[in-house]
Amino acid sequence: AQRVTQPEKLLSVFKGAPVELKCNYSYSGSPELFWYVQYSRQRLQLLLRHISRESIKGFTADLNKGETSFHLKKPFAQEEDSAMYYCALHTQGGSEKLVFGKGTKLTVNP
Amino acid sequence: DVKVTQSSRYLVKRTGEKVFLECVQDMDHENMFWYRQDPGLGLRLIYFSYDVKMKEKGDIPEGYSVSREKKERFSLILESASTNQTSMYLCASSLTSGSPHEQFFGPGTRLTVL
Repeated sequence: AQRVTQPEKLLSVFKGAPVELKCNYSYSGSPELFWYVQYSRQRLQLLLRHISRESIKGFTADLNKGETSFHLKKPFAQEEDSAMYYCALHTQGGSEKLVFGKGTKLTVNP
Repeated sequence: DVKVTQSSRYLVKRTGEKVFLECVQDMDHENMFWYRQDPGLGLRLIYFSYDVKMKEKGDIPEGYSVSREKKERFSLILESASTNQTSMYLCASSLTSGSPHEQFFGPGTRLTVL
């Protein structure tokens, strides 16, 4: 069965420090991976997807098929990055469902 | 800009009541989803719909039903609300083609069942 694992429920860093939110997936086919973010009192929104290979708000994520990982990284965390982050997986086969991880709450301290 | 709206931000109901949560999207999306969001459990899919009158069960459909009579509207129904259905409910929509597989979310409805 397809599964997304985010091993850290909570992650706390200081402003200016590097941050990495981990995401591992289990799926034998060709995956499509996403990171969604939910800031306080805002709706859940797409942060980035692996096929775009872009940097959004200084965040990047690389799909590593060998390690089945899609970790989210930012070299210098900012206080406004504090939010809930969800990794999500779309699998082939026609359904538009996404499989979400349980989320990591990132707190960036001043 | 895609807009997904939910009928209520906060709702308080009593055990045994029938509860309707409404979701409307204005971008002609084929797919609509209902999730519940709980701390430590993440997002869990309750039901989704890929077309009018079409639906599929998600991971936790027990105690819920859905209705999609029009393309833009997807309703979640709690037939007889129970305290363990106290949660944040999120609606989402997506296209089948175009921007692949991105889901657009509503603001959420925080339901409390007393």
